[in-house]
Amino acid sequence: QQPVQSPQAVILREGEDAVINCSSSKALYSVHWYRQKHGEAPVFLMILLKGGEQKGHDKISASFNEKKQQSSLYLTASQLSYSGTYFCGTRNAGGTSYGKLTFGQGTILTVHP
Amino acid sequence: DAGITQSPRHKVTETGTPVTLRCHQTENHRYMYWYRQDPGHGLRLIHYSYGVKDTDKGEVSDGYSVSRSKTEDFLLTLESATSSQTSVYFCAISESLSGTGYESDQPQHFGDGTRLSIL
Repeated sequence: QQPVQSPQAVILREGEDAVINCSSSKALYSVHWYRQKHGEAPVFLMILLKGGEQKGHDKISASFNEKKQQSSLYLTASQLSYSGTYFCGTRNAGGTSYGKLTFGQGTILTVHP
Repeated sequence: DAGITQSPRHKVTETGTPVTLRCHQTENHRYMYWYRQDPGHGLRLIHYSYGVKDTDKGEVSDGYSVSRSKTEDFLLTLESATSSQTSVYFCAISESLSGTGYESDQPQHFGDGTRLSIL
């Protein structure tokens, strides 16, 4: 079952902040975040491992609460280059995963000047 | 650059014909994946491979088969294409290196995609 992302879409002006959430019904080992520009391939942003880790990538950071099976992606002081569709990919806890991920349906982020 | 090449990049074909998409990687990664991407569904796993001749089904495998006879090549075949298989197909690799599947987490890197239209 796919993780659920919210919101489905968000529109910002440059400099504004946004939060994208990813929620799973299954126990998670890790959460990955990717960004995809229109007509391009998804690009890896960061991995959050269980342990409530918060990671940063420029002004983009994320947190992972494994007890709630949720992750959030924080975009601060947004730039035009942040526009795109953001996907979370989850890896379930337990068993042999072979690196498989289950992706959410995506959140479309649009940043205007 | 993860050295992933998908071919063809675009293809238009007719219902009922077989179609094969190729994914080629240059860095000897063990794990490879085929996804399809449709509006509102994100990326859905079709099949994956954890080694030469080792493959398994993903969540949307009906109507698709795969083969991996060499580490560098992972082929996706639509045995008899249907209009519902019109989609963008992405191949991905995982940097996971060592022997088991439950190891340190590594990113996936994607090819540029194949846009497939079935009329």
